[in-house]
Amino acid sequence: DAGITQSPRHKVTETGTPVTLRCHQTENHRYMYWYRQDPGHGLRLIHYSYGVKDTDKGEVSDGYSVSRSKTEDFLLTLESATSSQTSVYFCAISEDRGGNQPQHFGDGTRLSIL
Amino acid sequence: RKEVEQDPGPFNVPEGATVAFNCTYSNSASQSFFWYRQDCRKEPKLLMSVYSSGNEDGRFTAQLNRASQYISLLIRDSKLSDSATYLCVVRPSGGYNKLIFGAGTRLAVHP
Repeated sequence: DAGITQSPRHKVTETGTPVTLRCHQTENHRYMYWYRQDPGHGLRLIHYSYGVKDTDKGEVSDGYSVSRSKTEDFLLTLESATSSQTSVYFCAISEDRGGNQPQHFGDGTRLSIL
Repeated sequence: RKEVEQDPGPFNVPEGATVAFNCTYSNSASQSFFWYRQDCRKEPKLLMSVYSSGNEDGRFTAQLNRASQYISLLIRDSKLSDSATYLCVVRPSGGYNKLIFGAGTRLAVHP
């Protein structure tokens, strides 16, 4: 299995509070991604990173920010959590942008916003 | 229209059955294709890549039809352990390694 660790694994918090999720990889892969998964939807990309301090938005980026200060860590922050952000969040990594490169996923974080 | 569409199922089949999943994608310039498997409350895991000529991995066969923008996954001799949700995944052309995920097809294999 790819060396990807997400923390925390579970979190319950209240509307309006800030929340930070962490993704840590030991594979030295360049690309890292944050997705959310909700019933009836496929995985939807929130933000991605193509290198240290290089990040960009995905399709559902509103209300989220990210940071990548080291190759191995990619942080996802909800500045002021809302109930619509209750979801399962997955981090993924991939080795290279080109070719037939799949992504490999962490175990996920279950986040509940009350 | 969703970029990647799958029949949500569930497909309920007995052990030993052959089952086929289909997937259609809307971007004709898509370059790479994958099937992922996701067990309940677990992360998606790569099952297999899909190549233009079709490819096989044990009991699993994947086919790609670019003209019809259609991908399929065939599972032969189904096992109880095959019970999971199967995600069709497409990489559009250009840009970063962006993947578009279908919502998944659920398979339940029973004794």
